[in-house]
Amino acid sequence: TQLLEQSPQFLSIQEGENLTVYCNSSSVFSSLQWYRQEPGEGPVLLVTVVTGGEVKKLKRLTFQFGDARKDSSLHITAAQPGDTGLYLCAGETSGTYKYIFGTGTRLKVLA
Amino acid sequence: GAVVSQHPSRVICKSGTSVKIECRSLDFQATTMFWYRQFPKKSLMLMATSNEGSKATYEQGVEKDKFLINHASLTLSTLTVTSAHPEDSSFYICSARGIVGRGPSSTDTQYFGPGTRLTVL
Repeated sequence: TQLLEQSPQFLSIQEGENLTVYCNSSSVFSSLQWYRQEPGEGPVLLVTVVTGGEVKKLKRLTFQFGDARKDSSLHITAAQPGDTGLYLCAGETSGTYKYIFGTGTRLKVLA
Repeated sequence: GAVVSQHPSRVICKSGTSVKIECRSLDFQATTMFWYRQFPKKSLMLMATSNEGSKATYEQGVEKDKFLINHASLTLSTLTVTSAHPEDSSFYICSARGIVGRGPSSTDTQYFGPGTRLTVL
């Protein structure tokens, strides 16, 4: 069974602080996605990374895929209250088109 | 962007009844649809993979006779929770995978629906 462990599970920070969320697995993934989910809504795709070592930026968010394609990180610079939500990573097993979701990181940014 | 809808958004039913949830891709053809279940404050758990015109593939531990999936067209998949019980209460989310757009700018990715909150009394 593939597992994607995210850390930390919970994070409460002040507006303006930086943070990093980690997504780790012992399995290799052909691609990895990051999502943000608001309460009572479906997840919204933030980014897809497919190449080992790849770095993608989305405004204040920086995503990195590990060289071995087993792990990923999400870094948020100068967090804002609007960043509050559940962040989920999801890894795709090669050839299956199935995404297995990580355990989730619940972020709260205080004004 | 691509849109996936789910209907209903919320449903409350009595124990023993069956509930059908629809998942539609509104502006693209979904070659594959996925059904997930999410418990409060938890992550998404993949229940089954649905391909148009063929039987769904269920993940280990998911009862196929309990959760009936039908993928009759490239834009519609349905999940029926049969003889629902309180422990089936959950947030059910579908996703649809397909090619959105045309030509060089087209992308092959999956889009999630807004979810359906099922409460079984």
